[in-house]
Amino acid sequence: DTEVTQTPKHLVMGMTNKKSLKCEQHMGHRAMYWYKQKAKKPPELMFVYSYEKLSINESVPSRFSPECPNSSLLNLHLHALQPEDSALYLCASSQERWGSYEQYFGPGTRLTVT
Amino acid sequence: GESVGLHLPTLSVQEGDNSIINCAYSNSASDYFIWYKQESGKGPQFIIDIRSNMDKRQGQRVTVLLNKTVKHLSLQIAATQPGDSAVYFCAENYGQNFVFGPGTRLSVLP
Repeated sequence: DTEVTQTPKHLVMGMTNKKSLKCEQHMGHRAMYWYKQKAKKPPELMFVYSYEKLSINESVPSRFSPECPNSSLLNLHLHALQPEDSALYLCASSQERWGSYEQYFGPGTRLTVT
Repeated sequence: GESVGLHLPTLSVQEGDNSIINCAYSNSASDYFIWYKQESGKGPQFIIDIRSNMDKRQGQRVTVLLNKTVKHLSLQIAATQPGDSAVYFCAENYGQNFVFGPGTRLSVLP
């Protein structure tokens, strides 16, 4: 199984809402990532978890809060988002953090903030 | 031909021809590089990778070339097929950073 799954596929939320994005992989990978991708732009790294510990936060606003409950699951909690946060949010996993390990990406969650 | 402007750079090739997609990377300390293919509505899909101690690597129908002197990476696709139409991103890894290039849209003409 080389699949990373993400739910939901689409999400529309208001600026006062609280919602969560979920990501799951069963490849035994020990590193998991959240990326943000705007239209016609490359993915931008937001967070990296390595062995269930947050190892990189690329200066992401606190309205985005990641959580790694176990080695297979990764959540992204959203609160008080802005319309400019509307984007495709991609989850990825790799065998280890960095160091010549291929990242497997999920299909993404298309988020619209109204 | 290739066009660059306000939109994503686009490379148009005839079906059956070879495609070459280029990428300039930013950091001379980068030691690992990946090419990804992203189709509409999907996440990036791994195509091929190369480490900095190599200058060429071949896969099935794809070849990646690395020129560290000028910090340049290229992806060659042989006998381009309609299913190759997508956006292609290069990505570089240095230290704890993993950075994607701006991407190139490949359009395969019948």
